[in-house]
Amino acid sequence: DIQMTQSPSSLSASVGDRVTITCRASQSIRSYLNWYQQKPGKAPKLLIYAASSLQSGVPSRFSGSGSGTDFTLTISSLQPEDFATYYCQQSYSTPITFGQGTRLEIK
Amino acid sequence: QLQLQESGPGLVKPSETLSLTCTVSGGSISSSSYYWGWIRQPPGKGLEWIGSIYYSGSTYYNPSLKSRVTISVDTSKNQFSLKLSSVTAADTAVYYCARLYIGRRDDAFDIWGQGTMVTVSS
Repeated sequence: DIQMTQSPSSLSASVGDRVTITCRASQSIRSYLNWYQQKPGKAPKLLIYAASSLQSGVPSRFSGSGSGTDFTLTISSLQPEDFATYYCQQSYSTPITFGQGTRLEIK
Repeated sequence: QLQLQESGPGLVKPSETLSLTCTVSGGSISSSSYYWGWIRQPPGKGLEWIGSIYYSGSTYYNPSLKSRVTISVDTSKNQFSLKLSSVTAADTAVYYCARLYIGRRDDAFDIWGQGTMVTVSS
């Protein structure tokens, strides 16, 4: 199985901050990497697919980059509605696996 | 727009079989561009992929659950289903169904159901 490791596990930030979350795969996954946002009691929502493509309807302050084993999700200017948990997920090979999540909290 | 809705018992006894159905509305399950999947999330924990199915019936399962999982599809009802046998307390989780878009560069769960909580307890 491909292991996905996110860092940090939790993060405190303020509205307007620029935030970066990292995801590392245990082997190369090319660009088969997606990012999801999950709010309490809600289903995950797809933000970024294929490492850097913005899903339709997602604000442009979200961006993704990387390929191979190292990936980042960046929020350019945090908004109040962005405080949530973020997950990366690889679809390069089965089993599909997710990172452990990064909880983004208000400072 | 396309919507997914999970249904099934919220309480299952240990050693019994968990059965859930996902109903797809606003679109056809018989599309060549998508698989359909089940993902679960234990309380306070992360996401675990259970398995996925194509409208033709082709399936992929997580090896960690494969011996206990069956996913099936009913195109006439626009539904797909999950059966997980011999459940224990460790199977207590929110179960999500989701559409898996099969792209040229990547596959992603682009539409999710709201999730249904299943508790395993006697």
